[in-house]
Amino acid sequence: DVKVTQSSRYLVKRTGEKVFLECVQDMDHENMFWYRQDPGLGLRLIYFSYDVKMKEKGDIPEGYSVSREKKERFSLILESASTNQTSMYLCASTTGGLGNQPQHFGDGTRLSIL
Amino acid sequence: QKEVEQDPGPLSVPEGAIVSLNCTYSNSAFQYFMWYRQYSRKGPELLMYTYSSGNKEDGRFTAQVDKSSKYISLFIRDSQPSDSATYLCAMGDYGGATNKLIFGTGTLLAVQP
Repeated sequence: DVKVTQSSRYLVKRTGEKVFLECVQDMDHENMFWYRQDPGLGLRLIYFSYDVKMKEKGDIPEGYSVSREKKERFSLILESASTNQTSMYLCASTTGGLGNQPQHFGDGTRLSIL
Repeated sequence: QKEVEQDPGPLSVPEGAIVSLNCTYSNSAFQYFMWYRQYSRKGPELLMYTYSSGNKEDGRFTAQVDKSSKYISLFIRDSQPSDSATYLCAMGDYGGATNKLIFGTGTLLAVQP
């Protein structure tokens, strides 16, 4: 079974802090994704990566950046956290095509910005 | 108009009922369709994965795709309290303009014992 592990289940940070969310997958998948999930808005794609050191903006990249130095690890960075970034953050990975393969998700990080 | 529409619910049914969950979509290029189940405070897990039109059955779950109507369904037979969760549909194409999965917003299901 694919395992996608997110480093923190719950995180509380302050406005203006730089926040790092970490994700590791153990299936040698080339594609990794970061989403945020909010009530009524569903899953929104922030960034994705299709290879080491490669990244592409998703639908809502503003205020975020990402890093992929190793194939198994994909980090999401909130450069200067704001209260509107309070959300559930989900990491996912897949192999093959971006639009035709199921994605495997971690259990999420519930981030609160105070 | 959203690319994928899903009734948010909540949907409450008694144990043993047949549940029907649905999504409609607008992009006729979509060929790959998925259903995910998400328990509270957990990530989505893949339930069903289908290609193009037709039915697929797995135990108590049946996924149905009607591409002519741009409509997909997930049926749950003999529903159990353990089926209580949010169900998300997802869909996409391969190599097309979208080239990513599009998710519905999810339907919250509660199965009452």
